[in-house]
Amino acid sequence: SSELTQDPAVSVVLGQTVRITCHGESLRKYYASWYHQKAGQAPVLLFYGEDKRPSGIPDRFSGSNSGNTASLTITGVRAEDEADYYCSSRDRSGNLVVFGGGTKLTVL
Amino acid sequence: EVQLVESGGGLVKPGGSLRVSCAASGFNFSSHSLNWVRQAPGKGLEWVSFISTTGSYIYYADSVKGRFTISRDNARNSLYLQMNSLRTEDTAVYYCATDITGSSFDNWGQGTLVTVSS
Repeated sequence: SSELTQDPAVSVVLGQTVRITCHGESLRKYYASWYHQKAGQAPVLLFYGEDKRPSGIPDRFSGSNSGNTASLTITGVRAEDEADYYCSSRDRSGNLVVFGGGTKLTVL
Repeated sequence: EVQLVESGGGLVKPGGSLRVSCAASGFNFSSHSLNWVRQAPGKGLEWVSFISTTGSYIYYADSVKGRFTISRDNARNSLYLQMNSLRTEDTAVYYCATDITGSSFDNWGQGTLVTVSS
């Protein structure tokens, strides 16, 4: 079982804001990274560290951290944002990496 | 442009072995740590292994430790994963990925499918 827990599914109305969360004890010490993955494609890094966004990722994707919870917020959701979203972080040992189980985002 | 191209996947029987490779281009390969991440059909992502720039540091997920070996050849800009004692639960698409922070994977290949079945 994963050390990071995500809600299996979340839905959001087009144009609204959605928050996807990731829970785990290792998040008290290590930042989460966030990815989305569309059907048949490789994952894409969206946000990592305290406040880092890879080049080419729109600023409507943002991350935050509080205690044992990391969050990815998408503002002004577009139809193209419908995808599976994953968080990752180091495990409690600090040497290994764990992924959350993933959240399927549906845009209504 | 960063490119990672995996190869070597295929069908193998339980207990068998397979080596998958990842050919890199478009960036300074020897300056980047690398990882293997896998995804079973219809399932989520699972981190498999990490190798540092010179290979001095190597880590494995508990599910593959003792059976899989990660290696790299900086002269050939290539990453490898030798998989032994394969099990049906190792069936997955295997991705190679570059690493920014030790747990943030910024570039991914398209993946290679490994199927373990009798």
